[in-house]
Amino acid sequence: DVKVTQSSRYLVKRTGEKVFLECVQDMDHENMFWYRQDPGLGLRLIYFSYDVKMKEKGDIPEGYSVSREKKERFSLILESASTNQTSMYLCASSPYEGNYGYTFGSGTRLTVV
Amino acid sequence: GNSVTQMEGPVTLSEEAFLTINCTYTATGYPSLFWYVQYPGEGLQLLLKATKADDKGSNKGFEATYRKETTSFHLEKGSVQVSDSAVYFCAPQGGSNYKLTFGKGTLLTVNP
Repeated sequence: DVKVTQSSRYLVKRTGEKVFLECVQDMDHENMFWYRQDPGLGLRLIYFSYDVKMKEKGDIPEGYSVSREKKERFSLILESASTNQTSMYLCASSPYEGNYGYTFGSGTRLTVV
Repeated sequence: GNSVTQMEGPVTLSEEAFLTINCTYTATGYPSLFWYVQYPGEGLQLLLKATKADDKGSNKGFEATYRKETTSFHLEKGSVQVSDSAVYFCAPQGGSNYKLTFGKGTLLTVNP
């Protein structure tokens, strides 16, 4: 069963900590995405990557960075966590070409205290 | 780029009621159209899709028809169940970068 796996379902971190959210896919997809989801705001794209070591800013990249050292893994980094980054974070992947939709992970609920 | 307008929720229905969630889109070319569902505390799952005009996608009793003339992809189910309570997202995919564009989501609550 093909899947996208996010390393943590729930995470609690302190303000100012450096936080790593990990995402791994086993479908050999080129594209990977990080979204955050907040009530009333829908899904907002943070960063995406078309290939290893490639990254592009989405709609709300401020306060975040990403790393894609291997094709199957895409990490989201909160350099210095703040309370306004408390959110649900969703990772997704898709093939490079074609309208096949995205496959999503189960999400990470991050709380920054 | 693509855009999508989705019926705002929340929608509250009784079990066995008929469901319609409206979705209209703007896109260049001929996008594929998707409905995703998100159960509480989970990520998004693909519910159904349609890839060309007049195609009907269906799954778990849900249906949606790709209407090119009205640029719509409305989600319907004849008889909802409590287990259908979730958030539903409409999303066209197309263009040179094959990006999905998500609607705001519609929260459906089905009461017994």
